[in-house]
Amino acid sequence: AQTVTQSQPEMSVQEAETVTLSCTYDTSESDYYLFWYKQPPSRQMILVIRQEAYKQQNATENRFSVNFQKAAKSFSLKISDSQLGDAAMYFCSYRSVYSGSRLTFGEGTQLTVNP
Amino acid sequence: DVKVTQSSRYLVKRTGEKVFLECVQDMDHENMFWYRQDPGLGLRLIYFSYDVKMKEKGDIPEGYSVSREKKERFSLILESASTNQTSMYLCASTTIGAGGEQYFGPGTRLTVT
Repeated sequence: AQTVTQSQPEMSVQEAETVTLSCTYDTSESDYYLFWYKQPPSRQMILVIRQEAYKQQNATENRFSVNFQKAAKSFSLKISDSQLGDAAMYFCSYRSVYSGSRLTFGEGTQLTVNP
Repeated sequence: DVKVTQSSRYLVKRTGEKVFLECVQDMDHENMFWYRQDPGLGLRLIYFSYDVKMKEKGDIPEGYSVSREKKERFSLILESASTNQTSMYLCASTTIGAGGEQYFGPGTRLTVT
């Protein structure tokens, strides 16, 4: 079974600075998808960014980018130019291409953005 | 926009009560999921469904059951609520395809006293 680990329960960043959230995973599969989801306070969880394991190029969505290290099984999220609206719980998740559409989530990282 | 709604944001029930949590999605998604969210544990999958009247156990199905009579609606049932089922419950849906994102409802915070 796959596992996802987020070793940073809490992180903080100053507004306009850059922060990196860490995620590692364990799998024996070669093809899979990785996601970062964001859960703002009292609001619905939304997808931030997605990475296909077969793609070597790191995914980027505006101020959000990932550092995908397949051999190391590492998938970190970098948030540049942090904004107050980035404050949220962030979840890393894994999706196998062989087991349908179910996701395995990490424990979550609570990000605080300081003005 | 995809919309996933849940019947209640907050719910307080007594130990032993039968509890129904309802989830509805409006995008004709085949797959629907029920998760439980607890601090330090992330989201854990309770049950999921790939089609009407089909269900599969997730990682923590004990004490729960589900029902999917219509494609858009997926219900989570606590047959006899217990205090250790106090938690945030999240519903999600997605379409077929390994790369598809899951769309989440706002969550139901259930307290069992």
